[in-house]
Amino acid sequence: AQKITQTQPGMFVQEKEAVTLDCTYDTSDQSYGLFWYKQPSSGEMIFLIYQGSYDEQNATEGRYSLNFQKARKSANLVISASQLGDSAMYFCAMRGGFKTIFGAGTRLFVKA
Amino acid sequence: DGGITQSPKYLFRKEGQNVTLSCEQNLNHDAMYWYRQDPGQGLRLIYYSQIVNDFQKGDIAEGYSVSREKKESFPLTVTSAQKNPTAFYLCASSIVLGDTEAFFGQGTRLTVV
Repeated sequence: AQKITQTQPGMFVQEKEAVTLDCTYDTSDQSYGLFWYKQPSSGEMIFLIYQGSYDEQNATEGRYSLNFQKARKSANLVISASQLGDSAMYFCAMRGGFKTIFGAGTRLFVKA
Repeated sequence: DGGITQSPKYLFRKEGQNVTLSCEQNLNHDAMYWYRQDPGQGLRLIYYSQIVNDFQKGDIAEGYSVSREKKESFPLTVTSAQKNPTAFYLCASSIVLGDTEAFFGQGTRLTVV
């Protein structure tokens, strides 16, 4: 069975510093995709970054990068130069086939 | 601007009543999805649709029903058979089923009173 685990219910980071949000996954599929979404207090889910299981390079999108360690089955999100607007819930997700499963999320608080 | 519109934002329902949540998209996406979010949990898939007039059950479809009569619309009905319907409901769409990026609406918070 597929599973996504986010072990950090809440994280604090100082503005302008980098922060790493942890995500581990479990799957028996050879081909899968890993995602990170941001959910601000307004409720919508905002797509941040995607990593395919066969991608050799770590994905990057602006200030977001995904630290993909396939052997360890981890897909941590790194946010560089944190901004106050980064305060939100962050969800790690995995797609195998047509279904996507989500972790429980990490709430990030950025301090001024 | 293109996007997904969910209405209403807040909805109250009495026990024993059915209620329908609206989801409309103008992105010309073929695939649409409904998710349920409970406090402290991630999203769980209720139903999804690959194309007009086709939809499939997700992981927690019991007590819910959907229709997909138009490409841009994918309403979700929460029936009285759903034992614990109070939750946050999110609708999403993607160009095709399982596409890399899905776009989400702003959600509907349903409370049973």
